[in-house]
Amino acid sequence: EPEVTQTPSHQVTQMGQEVILRCVPISNHLYFYWYRQILGQKVEFLVSFYNNEISEKSEIFDDQFSVERPDGSNFTLKIRSTKLEDSAMYFCASSSPSGQFSNQPQHFGDGTRLSIL
Amino acid sequence: AQTVTQSQPEMSVQEAETVTLSCTYDTSENNYYLFWYKQPPSRQMILVIRQEAYKQQNATENRFSVNFQKAAKSFSLKISDSQLGDTAMYFCAFMKLNNQGGKLIFGQGTELSVKP
Repeated sequence: EPEVTQTPSHQVTQMGQEVILRCVPISNHLYFYWYRQILGQKVEFLVSFYNNEISEKSEIFDDQFSVERPDGSNFTLKIRSTKLEDSAMYFCASSSPSGQFSNQPQHFGDGTRLSIL
Repeated sequence: AQTVTQSQPEMSVQEAETVTLSCTYDTSENNYYLFWYKQPPSRQMILVIRQEAYKQQNATENRFSVNFQKAAKSFSLKISDSQLGDTAMYFCAFMKLNNQGGKLIFGQGTELSVKP
């Protein structure tokens, strides 16, 4: 079964440094998402991406964050100047459309654990 | 804004028994999806089951079934014949329908322990 893959599985970065988290969504999917889960807390939506642009973002997704689909397969999340509170598990997800106002369930990658020191 | 509430932070069940996890949500939307995701200790997010709000029939997936009460905005998950591998955090999630994808709004999760 096709999978969403994320790299790296664990990233350790010094506070203030830039970090790029990478995702390869399922190949025929058109909608892409990033979520964040701080340890012990619920999963929170960050951003959705469709047709090469952001379709929705949360209040968490401030100017420090950006997303990009640089080629036909990768989907990246960049954090420009990391803070301690950015430490979390970051999940990429993708889904495909199913009708005009419907879509298939989101499939999640295994996540990238980001640790900010 | 939509909210999802899971009022049971932890639950436990004996192997082979049945357990029900509760979820309520608040929305003014009429068309939406509801999901249950499982997160084992490895922290993957695995889809367990989904329900379209316009369908009256409750979704089932092998040992997993839901009790969807649209008027009450309730969406509980029943796990029959519980297995040790069912031990995980379970998240209820809401998604409204639109033509640009849709964000998932998660509840706080219920940690389920299946005991031998």
